[in-house]
Amino acid sequence: GENVEQHPSTLSVQEGDSAVIKCTYSDSASNYFPWYKQELGKGPQLIIDIRSNVGEKKDQRIAVTLNKTAKHFSLHITETQPEDSAVYFCAASGHFGNEKLTFGTGTRLTIIP
Amino acid sequence: KAGVTQTPRYLIKTRGQQVTLSCSPISGHRSVSWYQQTPGQGLQFLFEYFSETQRNKGNFPGRFSGRQFSNSRSEMNVSTLELGDSALYLCASRGVSYEQYFGPGTRLTVT
Repeated sequence: GENVEQHPSTLSVQEGDSAVIKCTYSDSASNYFPWYKQELGKGPQLIIDIRSNVGEKKDQRIAVTLNKTAKHFSLHITETQPEDSAVYFCAASGHFGNEKLTFGTGTRLTIIP
Repeated sequence: KAGVTQTPRYLIKTRGQQVTLSCSPISGHRSVSWYQQTPGQGLQFLFEYFSETQRNKGNFPGRFSGRQFSNSRSEMNVSTLELGDSALYLCASRGVSYEQYFGPGTRLTVT
């Protein structure tokens, strides 16, 4: 089955700096890669996603890049703010009819004011 | 649109008991998936229901079961509870596209 590895497990950045979180996946059939943000006491919130036919996607301060050949994808957050502090999860899923998400182990991001 | 709702939000049960958790998906969404989140194992897929049929199942024992009703609401049941079943149980709703939206979860504590 699919295996998703995520690094780093913790990340501290100064407010205003950029943060990058990286994930690798094992199943070449995976074609959908979402990122979730989870705050304390809440469920994961979908913040951005990318499909395998796209190399990069951007939404304001957040961007995701995908390298299908190397089987890795990354989350980039620019101009970080205190409210970006949370746990971030990457995930991968397959084709229609097999959309179960396989998650990475999470990255605890702390923004230092 | 209202988001995914899960009830109850918190639950305390004793070993050996059974429990039923409920999930109401986003209006119009027909797919509901369940995930278990623990500090040790992270987020793990339990099962997915689509139009009242279980379409995918994760690697959990038969004590974990679920069902989906004609209005797309879903329930999951855990029988003969064990201490290791203590976790946050999350429900995710999906429409016609790939995006899955999670509810706030049910925190189950088994004593």
